[in-house]
Amino acid sequence: AQSVTQLGSHVSVSEGALVLLRCNYSSSVPPYLFWYVQYPNQGLQLLLKYTSAATLVKGINGFEAEFKKSETSFHLTKPSAHMSDAAEYFCAVSDGWNAGGTSYGKLTFGQGTILTVHP
Amino acid sequence: SQTIHQWPATLVQPVGSPLSLECTVEGTSNPNLYWYRQAAGRGLQLLFYSIGIDQISSEVPQNLSASRPQDRQFILSSKKLLLSDSGFYLCAWSAARGGYGYTFGSGTRLTVV
Repeated sequence: AQSVTQLGSHVSVSEGALVLLRCNYSSSVPPYLFWYVQYPNQGLQLLLKYTSAATLVKGINGFEAEFKKSETSFHLTKPSAHMSDAAEYFCAVSDGWNAGGTSYGKLTFGQGTILTVHP
Repeated sequence: SQTIHQWPATLVQPVGSPLSLECTVEGTSNPNLYWYRQAAGRGLQLLFYSIGIDQISSEVPQNLSASRPQDRQFILSSKKLLLSDSGFYLCAWSAARGGYGYTFGSGTRLTVV
């Protein structure tokens, strides 16, 4: 079984400050990991994904995340926050797909972290 | 390229009325399809998923049902809406041999009054 824990339902930073959104996962198989962003009344947009290649993953809008197997973490960072980064962020883990058909890449989402950026 | 369409964007319905939300995907075949609901402060709740035509799995018991009459069409329905059905409904698709994440539609804001 997979699970995702996002530490902190709300994070507040000043414009220009470092953004750090925490995500820890649990998975019985090598995971695929994702970060999504959601702006008010919109669907979720993929920021970045880890699929067992480089452990440091760069995404859109200047975000990046590092896969740390020893810590079972996939924290999202951005060096300098911008007002437009204010949104809700979701971490998700997938169990991939297997030929036996018992797994089809279903995503398990964390509860989300609302990022507020102050001027 | 693949696109996903979801409509309507907003909907206000009285209690006891029926519901039909539609989602279609273009540019891919045999996608996995999903319906999620977001209620205030409750994160993303998976309602239904489908790995093929007429193959629907329900994640939670509820007042809703889903159907997949065509490969790239996914419909969420209710015969009689409850107040508790209010929320933001999201459709998503992923490649059949998944593991590479989902692409979401733009969502439907449903308010039951």
